[in-house]
Amino acid sequence: LAKTTQPISMDSYEGQEVNITCSHNNIATNDYITWYQQFPSQGPRFIIQGYKTKVTNEVASLFIPADRKSSTLSLPRVSLSDTAVYYCLVGDTGNQFYFGTGTSLTVIP
Amino acid sequence: DAGVIQSPRHEVTEMGQEVTLRCKPISGHDYLFWYRQTMMRGLELLIYFNNNVPIDDSGMPEDRFSAKMPNASFSTLKIQPSEPRDSAVYFCASSWGQGVGNTIYFGEGSWLTVV
Repeated sequence: LAKTTQPISMDSYEGQEVNITCSHNNIATNDYITWYQQFPSQGPRFIIQGYKTKVTNEVASLFIPADRKSSTLSLPRVSLSDTAVYYCLVGDTGNQFYFGTGTSLTVIP
Repeated sequence: DAGVIQSPRHEVTEMGQEVTLRCKPISGHDYLFWYRQTMMRGLELLIYFNNNVPIDDSGMPEDRFSAKMPNASFSTLKIQPSEPRDSAVYFCASSWGQGVGNTIYFGEGSWLTVV
């Protein structure tokens, strides 16, 4: 399984763009990169998934460089409600079940 | 769809008692997962099933823990006897495994306190 490394915590002011980077140096050819968001007292929920280059949806963007050894989750103009833990997972269909420590994002007014 | 349904949402029990947590996955999903979350250890995968068959139970902490999935719409996680260190949030989750990078859908969790 590809091991992932993320910052433990980050702080940001409201309205700013937040970028959270995940390192996955031993990512395999068939692996996808998936990000989840977890609010306090809730289970994690899917945010975005990608394989290479850039993916964008209504919530976030995911940037993946050509070597795929890292990925960056970008949250545009964060609000207080974006305060949560963000997890990066790497794997293929059969093993993308293991969560790391995640990044605790605190948005400051 | 109603999502993954877990019960009970909260349980307080005395040390030594049996605890049974229940889960109904999303209809049509063929993977079911049990996770445990604590401040100290984060989100740990305990066991997962594929088509009702346990595939990997290496995360189950010890023999006091057992999980079953008698059919595609129901699973249980049992702790017997319970201990204070089992206090945690237990999440059940499910996914459709045939898609690439299958997305996991979590229930709201069962908050267990063992006193």
